Amino acid sequence: EVQLVESGGGLIQPGGSLTLSCAASGFLFSSFAMSWVRQAPGKGLEWVSTISGGGSNIYYSDSVKGRFTISRDNSKNTLFLRLDSLRAEDTAVYYCAKGENWGGGTCDFWGQGTLVTVSS
Amino acid sequence: DIQMTQSPSTLSASVGDRVTITCRASQSISRWLAWYQQRPGRAPKLLIYKASSLQSGVPSRFSGSGSGTEFTLTISSLQPDDFATYYCQQYNTYWNTFGQGTKLEIK
Repeated sequence: EVQLVESGGGLIQPGGSLTLSCAASGFLFSSFAMSWVRQAPGKGLEWVSTISGGGSNIYYSDSVKGRFTISRDNSKNTLFLRLDSLRAEDTAVYYCAKGENWGGGTCDFWGQGTLVTVSS
Repeated sequence: DIQMTQSPSTLSASVGDRVTITCRASQSISRWLAWYQQRPGRAPKLLIYKASSLQSGVPSRFSGSGSGTEFTLTISSLQPDDFATYYCQQYNTYWNTFGQGTKLEIK
């Protein structure tokens, strides 16, 4: 059974940094792309970033490019998202999601999310 | 960026009704479109991929169609569990984009 468990969210001040983690199990982690998708309170889904199975191909939305860094440790079946220079508009539930294939595709399994609140 | 526009934003219906939600892309995305269901406080769940392929375990009352720029999600006979918010997503490019969502409410 595929399981994705996010952690690392919390309350952080504007301009601060945070690292989110997503522990994966139930599938061959290194064979699939992984993504982060966020959802601001009461709003819709927003794609944030995708990393290929081997980690060589990385993509970011314009809203986070240059501030967020996606990475993965295939030896530990874990996905990361480093959030720097945080702004109030980054407040959201952050979901990790498994890609359909090595390069990307749609998101066929999702974690339950971790809440990041950016506020002073 | 490819923009995705869903209609309607809100839909009121009754158990047993047939409903259709539309998603339009700002440029052709071939058939690289997915549909998700999200219940309050829960993670999204993949229903349909590649415009019309049913994800494993999803009831057959859900169906998708379309190609190019216009797509539809149809629920043939609404069940109580189906009242939720539905999102389309294009993945024609690595820079995925979602529609704004359609909230399906009980009439």
